[in-house]
Amino acid sequence: DVKVTQSSRYLVKRTGEKVFLECVQDMDHENMFWYRQDPGLGLRLIYFSYDVKMKEKGDIPEGYSVSREKKERFSLILESASTNQTSMYLCASSPNRLDTQYFGPGTRLTVL
Amino acid sequence: SQQGEEDPQALSIQEGENATMNCSYKTSINNLQWYRQNSGRGLVHLILIRSNERKKHSGRLRVTLDTSKKSSSLLITASRAADTASYFCATDANDYKLSFGAGTTVTVRA
Repeated sequence: DVKVTQSSRYLVKRTGEKVFLECVQDMDHENMFWYRQDPGLGLRLIYFSYDVKMKEKGDIPEGYSVSREKKERFSLILESASTNQTSMYLCASSPNRLDTQYFGPGTRLTVL
Repeated sequence: SQQGEEDPQALSIQEGENATMNCSYKTSINNLQWYRQNSGRGLVHLILIRSNERKKHSGRLRVTLDTSKKSSSLLITASRAADTASYFCATDANDYKLSFGAGTTVTVRA
């Protein structure tokens, strides 16, 4: 079974802090994705990566950056956390962009 | 922007009944997927239907796709308490990214 793990289930940070969310997949998938999920808005794509060291902006990249130094790991970085970044963050991977995506359990981030 | 939108937003049914939810989308697609999310967890893939398919099933799940109406339906037959979850459709937008709707929340009452 594909396994996607995220570094934390719950995280509380202060405004202005730098926040790292880590995601690791064990199926050698080329593609990895970061979404945020807010009530009534569904999942919105922040960034995705189709290869090591490659990244592309999604629909809402502002305030975020990403890093993919190894194929199995995709990190989401909040350079200076703000309260409007309080959300559920979901990581996913897939063998190709349009195929089934496999999701991690999510990180619920609260920025105070 | 959301390509797919689910309807209804919420659904409450008795155990044993069928649950039907719909997804409408705006532009042409290659395939449409349905996912389930249990409360506070990640999404789990349920079924993928390609644009040249009209019906597909997997266990108690029945999916239809009508590309002329740009819509899909997900039917869960003989519902169980464990089917209580949010259900999302996902479509591939023209720039080859999946776009998820806001979901239908299904509550199955014992």
